[in-house]
Amino acid sequence: DTAVSQTPKYLVTQMGNDKSIKCEQNLGHDTMYWYKQDSKKFLKIMFSYNNKELIINETVPNRFSPKSPDKAHLNLHINSLELGDSAVYFCASSPPGGNYGYTFGSGTRLTVV
Amino acid sequence: GQNIDQPTEMTATEGAIVQINCTYQTSGFNGLFWYQQHAGEAPTFLSYNVLDGLEEKGRFSSFLSRSKGYSYLLLKELQMKDSASYLCAVKDSNYQLIWGAGTKLIIKP
Repeated sequence: DTAVSQTPKYLVTQMGNDKSIKCEQNLGHDTMYWYKQDSKKFLKIMFSYNNKELIINETVPNRFSPKSPDKAHLNLHINSLELGDSAVYFCASSPPGGNYGYTFGSGTRLTVV
Repeated sequence: GQNIDQPTEMTATEGAIVQINCTYQTSGFNGLFWYQQHAGEAPTFLSYNVLDGLEEKGRFSSFLSRSKGYSYLLLKELQMKDSASYLCAVKDSNYQLIWGAGTKLIIKP
C-alpha cells in the first residue's frame, strides 16, 4: 500500500493553463505539506496544512493554492502557469510530535512549455 | 536568516567510509534529520537526532553537536546503491523543517 500517493507523476502543459496535482495519504497523519524542488535540488516548503491551520510560505505566488477536502487529501491547484513553475512538486505528511520524519510522495514533474 | 550548509558533492570508493557534514543556523532547534534521495525519487527518512551524540543504524550513523550547530552522517561499507543525494534538515522553533540543498554522493567502484 502506498503511504503518500500523488498524481500525476508527469505533467506537461502550456503557459497560462490551470492545473491540479492530487495528494492522498493513508498514514493517518495530521499534517500535510507541499514542497517544490527546483533544478538545483533545493526543497522549498510551499504550504503546510492540518485541520486547524494553513501555513503559507510568503514567497509562494498566490497563483498556487492548496485545497483539502479532508484530512487525508491535500491537492495543489496552480493558475496561469508560468515557465518558472517547472519543477518537481512533492507532497509529504507527518504525524504530531517533533521526532518523526516526513513521508514523501513520489513527486510530480511539472514541465511548462 | 535560517541557513543549512552542506557540501554540494562528494566522491567515495565502494567499500570505504564517507562523512557528510552539515552546519546549521536556525531560529530554535527541535531536531535534525537526514534524508536520502535517489535521482528522480522522493526523499526517504534516514535518521533523527535531537540530543548530542551519535545515533547508529546499521551502516549509517548520525552525529549531532547542538552547541556547534553541527551534524554529520557517516556511511560505512559503501555500496554502489548508496549513490544518492543526502539532505540535512532542521526543525526550527515553529517545528518547521528547514532544508539544506543536499550533498550528491558519487560512489566509484
